[in-house]
Amino acid sequence: DAGVIQSPRHEVTEMGQEVTLRCKPISGHDYLFWYRQTMMRGLELLIYFNNNVPIDDSGMPEDRFSAKMPNASFSTLKIQPSEPRDSAVYFCASSPRGVLNTEAFFGQGTRLTVV
Amino acid sequence: AQSVTQPDIHITVSEGASLELRCNYSYGATPYLFWYVQSPGQGLQLLLKYFSGDTLVQGIKGFEAEFKRSQSSFNLRKPSVHWSDAAEYFCAVGAWSNDYKLSFGAGTTVTVRA
Repeated sequence: DAGVIQSPRHEVTEMGQEVTLRCKPISGHDYLFWYRQTMMRGLELLIYFNNNVPIDDSGMPEDRFSAKMPNASFSTLKIQPSEPRDSAVYFCASSPRGVLNTEAFFGQGTRLTVV
Repeated sequence: AQSVTQPDIHITVSEGASLELRCNYSYGATPYLFWYVQSPGQGLQLLLKYFSGDTLVQGIKGFEAEFKRSQSSFNLRKPSVHWSDAAEYFCAVGAWSNDYKLSFGAGTTVTVRA
């Protein structure tokens, strides 16, 4: 398996534009997580899915952020409209079960810059 | 709620020297503890984890960590570092009642000098 695949690796956009980040989890994994990494706040869990169903989105910073998982092999994180403070590295991770039962496998991340 | 503190933001060690990264956690019950490593431009990779049992845990790449309940610590060690160990290291704690969520520390950046 190629691991968790995220695209794009880098994204530069102007404030106010819509941004969509994509993630392909490892085949057979039931859980999918979206994290955000910044210097100020470190790694934050934004939302996670179990069998394509969003379970906890309490980490999503505000209504401008939304995430979907239309099928077991694809998830998106959308920011609309984007703001400079959204600049961060966004990681997607997947796990065959809950992370406490086994490890979470991380993608390489998408570095988002909003100017 | 659980929390994790990594007191050292940056550590520089010589190649071949030993390395110890500190991690302190705050949680009322027995925690689930993890160490992850992040190489530049990469995602996080699990080094080792502690759930129960032997408090000295062996991981990949020659790393080990020791859980000390009395000190609320889970320090990571390596006897002899290699240049390839230069990376950022994250300690994480998971709560029993929250099996999907890990709280990460701020990370420790390790620089290895020749």
